[in-house]
Amino acid sequence: SAVISQKPSRDICQRGTSLTIQCQVDSQVTMMFWYRQQPGQSLTLIATANQGSEATYESGFVIDKFPISRPNLTFSTLTVSNMSPEDSSIYLCSPERGVTEAFFGQGTRLTVV
Amino acid sequence: AQSVAQPEDQVNVAEGNPLTVKCTYSVSGNPYLFWYVQYPNRGLQFLLKYITGDNLVKGSYGFEAEFNKSQTSFHLKKPSALVSDSALYFCAVRANTGFQKLVFGTGTRLLVSP
Repeated sequence: SAVISQKPSRDICQRGTSLTIQCQVDSQVTMMFWYRQQPGQSLTLIATANQGSEATYESGFVIDKFPISRPNLTFSTLTVSNMSPEDSSIYLCSPERGVTEAFFGQGTRLTVV
Repeated sequence: AQSVAQPEDQVNVAEGNPLTVKCTYSVSGNPYLFWYVQYPNRGLQFLLKYITGDNLVKGSYGFEAEFNKSQTSFHLKKPSALVSDSALYFCAVRANTGFQKLVFGTGTRLLVSP
């Protein structure tokens, strides 16, 4: 399995501010996936990030709200912009290691007050 | 489109008894199927997967799952439950035609009583 380091593990933020979540993987991966898990709910894919190109967003998610960077093959960031209480969720990154693999970071528990 | 159904929000079982957490799926073509567990305040931990081959897949912590193509099911099982198995369990599916995103079920909370 991949070693995935996600930071911060949790944060409490004021509404209207932004938070950048980092995901570091111990080996190069082609694609990085970012998921959101709202309280009491399942995981929903936010976007898929490839190095050197813009991320591909799922329906209901937009780049202005969730900008993603992918500067190299081992690192990605997700920013939650202009936060509101509805953004309180767990955010998880998942590096692509082939279609038969799917591992996740420990997640970032975000609370917006 | 891919989808996963976990029909039970919660499963209650006594310690030492066998447990089953149900999962059915819908996918075009053949599926890749996964089970994950989430403990409180933790990320998702991989339990097991079905890619091809034997229908009975063995995974971590004594869990296993049986792939049934005719019933489009992938139920998670364990012969003897532990209190420490109490957690949230997610089933997920991905089609094996090219790259498809991973789709998750709504999760089933397993509560094992002493």
